[in-house]
Amino acid sequence: IAGITQAPTSQILAAGRRMTLRCTQDMRHNAMYWYRQDLGLGLRLIHYSNTAGTTGKGEVPDGYSVSRANTDDFPLTLASAVPSQTSVYFCASSPGGNTDTQYFGPGTRLTVL
Amino acid sequence: SQQGEEDPQALSIQEGENATMNCSYKTSINNLQWYRQNSGRGLVHLILIRSNEREKHSGRLRVTLDTSKKSSSLLITASRAADTASYFCAGGKDTGRRALTFGSGTRLQVQP
Repeated sequence: IAGITQAPTSQILAAGRRMTLRCTQDMRHNAMYWYRQDLGLGLRLIHYSNTAGTTGKGEVPDGYSVSRANTDDFPLTLASAVPSQTSVYFCASSPGGNTDTQYFGPGTRLTVL
Repeated sequence: SQQGEEDPQALSIQEGENATMNCSYKTSINNLQWYRQNSGRGLVHLILIRSNEREKHSGRLRVTLDTSKKSSSLLITASRAADTASYFCAGGKDTGRRALTFGSGTRLQVQP
């Protein structure tokens, strides 16, 4: 069982380019989340999905979009990357509801030049 | 804005000593969770304490929660070099935005 995987591991991207970060879980968890982690700021929630077919905005959603077409996948798209989106991005999942333990992927390190 | 704020931001101790990290939060929560992050890795869940609990143990970990002061502490006893990591607290709620809100973390260095 892989748990939760993210791809790519790292990426350097030119500003203005479109980029999709992939996240897949095999635990049949209902809820999934995207966070970004910046030095000294901890993790900030970008978007979340409580169940397949639904999504919601987190603390810092601007410039990002998500979709949840099925239980396993929760891609994060940057429509037109900007340097301020340089960060480490973590995907997470939880069995159901926000109060459950969250399981994190290994992260994607994104640099926007 | 961060829900939780950890204190201290950084902590350096010798192997065998106890490490105490504190967390304060701003709004009401249903549970408080602690996570660990090794450098360059994702977060790993350590322990969850519910709002109606005051103390919880798991191995060398002891967590307390004081809802009147909106604070929590994580104690790691008999620390080991392998405990070197960043530790984050996160508050969970059943209503409103449904996700954990993390603090900025405490960087723990355990010297062998």
